[in-house]
Amino acid sequence: AQTVTQSQPEMSVQEAETVTLSCTYDTSESDYYLFWYKQPPSRQMILVIRQEAYKQQNATENRFSVNFQKAAKSFSLKISDSQLGDAAMYFCAYRRGAQKLVFGQGTRLTINP
Amino acid sequence: EAGVVQSPRYKIIEKKQPVAFWCNPISGHNTLYWYLQNLGQGPELLIRYENEEAVDDSQLPKDRFSAERLKGVDSTLKIQPAELGDSAVYLCASSLGTDFTDTQYFGPGTRLTVL
Repeated sequence: AQTVTQSQPEMSVQEAETVTLSCTYDTSESDYYLFWYKQPPSRQMILVIRQEAYKQQNATENRFSVNFQKAAKSFSLKISDSQLGDAAMYFCAYRRGAQKLVFGQGTRLTINP
Repeated sequence: EAGVVQSPRYKIIEKKQPVAFWCNPISGHNTLYWYLQNLGQGPELLIRYENEEAVDDSQLPKDRFSAERLKGVDSTLKIQPAELGDSAVYLCASSLGTDFTDTQYFGPGTRLTVL
């Protein structure tokens, strides 16, 4: 079974600094998709960024970028120029085809002003 | 565009009572998901619908949980009877389909407390 592990329960960063959230996963498949979701206190999960496993180029969305290391089964999220509104729980997720999203345990990100 | 709507936002009941949650997906979204999120954990899929058909309900505890999606639009998730361990957030999500590019949009969830 696929598993997703986020080893950092909590992270904090100064406003305007850069922070990296870690994620590793376990799968025997070669074709799959990876996601980072943000969950603010309002509880509504919001898609931040996604990556197709067959693409070597790392995905980027404005201040958010990923470091996808397929051989190492690692998928980290980098947030540049951190803003107060980035404070939230961040979940890494795996999905193969039409199958369900498998989420990690989450990392709580705090932004210090 | 309206997002995924869920109600109620909060529900407190005593154990052994029944409870129901309602979800209205984004208009035109054929796929609907119910997730369970325990405190401090990531969401786990309970059931997935393609239109009216439940295509993945392997994680749904069928002895006490039931779900329906009449006419392929709104959906309800029911627990009867509720147990203390059912206290959690129940999230609904929807997507156009199940292609990789079909983003899952989540609702705000219902926080259930069973006393």
